[in-house]
Amino acid sequence: GQQLNQSPQSMFIQEGEDVSMNCTSSSIFNTWLWYKQDPGEGPVLLIALYKAGELTSNGRLTAQFGITRKDSFLNISASIPSDVGIYFCAGQPRFGNEKLTFGTGTRLTIIP
Amino acid sequence: EAGVVQSPRYKIIEKKQPVAFWCNPISGHNTLYWYLQNLGQGPELLIRYENEEAVDDSQLPKDRFSAERLKGVDSTLKIQPAELGDSAVYLCASSFSSGDNEQFFGPGTRLTVL
Repeated sequence: GQQLNQSPQSMFIQEGEDVSMNCTSSSIFNTWLWYKQDPGEGPVLLIALYKAGELTSNGRLTAQFGITRKDSFLNISASIPSDVGIYFCAGQPRFGNEKLTFGTGTRLTIIP
Repeated sequence: EAGVVQSPRYKIIEKKQPVAFWCNPISGHNTLYWYLQNLGQGPELLIRYENEEAVDDSQLPKDRFSAERLKGVDSTLKIQPAELGDSAVYLCASSFSSGDNEQFFGPGTRLTVL
């Protein structure tokens, strides 16, 4: 099935560094979501975006809904060890009862 | 509050054997989803239930996959017969309604077909 393009595929950073990742689509979405998945667990919702240009924060995480409606960005400031995991974007064409299309994921590793 | 419960957590079978996965959603959640997650990929929807009705099963390979949610609560996903390419993680998620973006995921069942 269709998967959104996420970049980068993986990141190796040192604790305390800031992280940026993005997600692009060939089609327009009206909802963008960012999830984090830890090993052996299901994805957990971090941030939901509903309006083009919207910038939303959740603690050290900030996500933006691209103005073209075809992309979204996630930033993590001052990374800590528990940020390690796989981050997925997901898009929905319309709010509500439309299936989520997930990205391919960005794997974040923190180098000690 | 208990989250989405899935069992088993791991399953190893030989090809051509049947296999079933069970999911109990969060209490009060009307919408239940089954996703397939291949290694290194994001989840892909297989089927979505609104109560006991399958409202989106367009991505479910119906020749070998089946699902049910008879009483609108827990659900079972079955594969018969399993193929090597079915090895993946099968995730169950639930939400209060289909209009609710926040889907809560279970830990998944990791299937290995030998």
